[in-house]
Amino acid sequence: GNSVTQMEGPVTLSEEAFLTINCTYTATGYPSLFWYVQYPGEGLQLLLKATKADDKGSNKGFEATYRKETTSFHLEKGSVQVSDSAVYFCALFTGKLIFGQGTTLQVKP
Amino acid sequence: EAGVAQSPRYKIIEKRQSVAFWCNPISGHATLYWYQQILGQGPKLLIQFQNNGVVDDSQLPKDRFSAERLKGVDSTLKIQPAKLEDSAVYLCASSLARDGNEKLFFGSGTQLSVL
Repeated sequence: GNSVTQMEGPVTLSEEAFLTINCTYTATGYPSLFWYVQYPGEGLQLLLKATKADDKGSNKGFEATYRKETTSFHLEKGSVQVSDSAVYFCALFTGKLIFGQGTTLQVKP
Repeated sequence: EAGVAQSPRYKIIEKRQSVAFWCNPISGHATLYWYQQILGQGPKLLIQFQNNGVVDDSQLPKDRFSAERLKGVDSTLKIQPAKLEDSAVYLCASSLARDGNEKLFFGSGTQLSVL
């Protein structure tokens, strides 16, 4: 069946460090791919998305590229801030939205 | 623009009791979703409505869970009777379209503890 696998957390970084959160998926067909973020005490928010192979989604300095050959959609940011501390969810859509288990990011000043 | 409203924010019940959650989606959003998020896991879709009709309820435990969306606006999710493993955050989301490529807007959720 369709599924999403994310790297285990928590990920702890110092401010201005480079961030990568790995996400791979299994799906029939060509799903749309998403990253959602959940800040402490808030609801899930869409961070970025890509709807076809080689598309790059970007928002707030975060980027992810839809790689069909490796079935991946890794999230990257060049320089993280304390305010980026949150839980990040990778998700795919093939008729319904399926989430990964989430990766907690902690950024220390 | 008002967001997705959910209530209550927290609920503590004993097993075998019943509980209900309420969701008011963003005005004009035809599609409404209920997700269950168990601690340490990603949200799992329980049921999806398009207006007041059910689109997908394949993962809803129908022996104990029920949901309705009267008049295609507000929705309630009920659990009767609750089990310990129902302890989770119940998230409501809404979107303009049903294809998932539209942005889903999530509420803050109802945190349920079953003792």
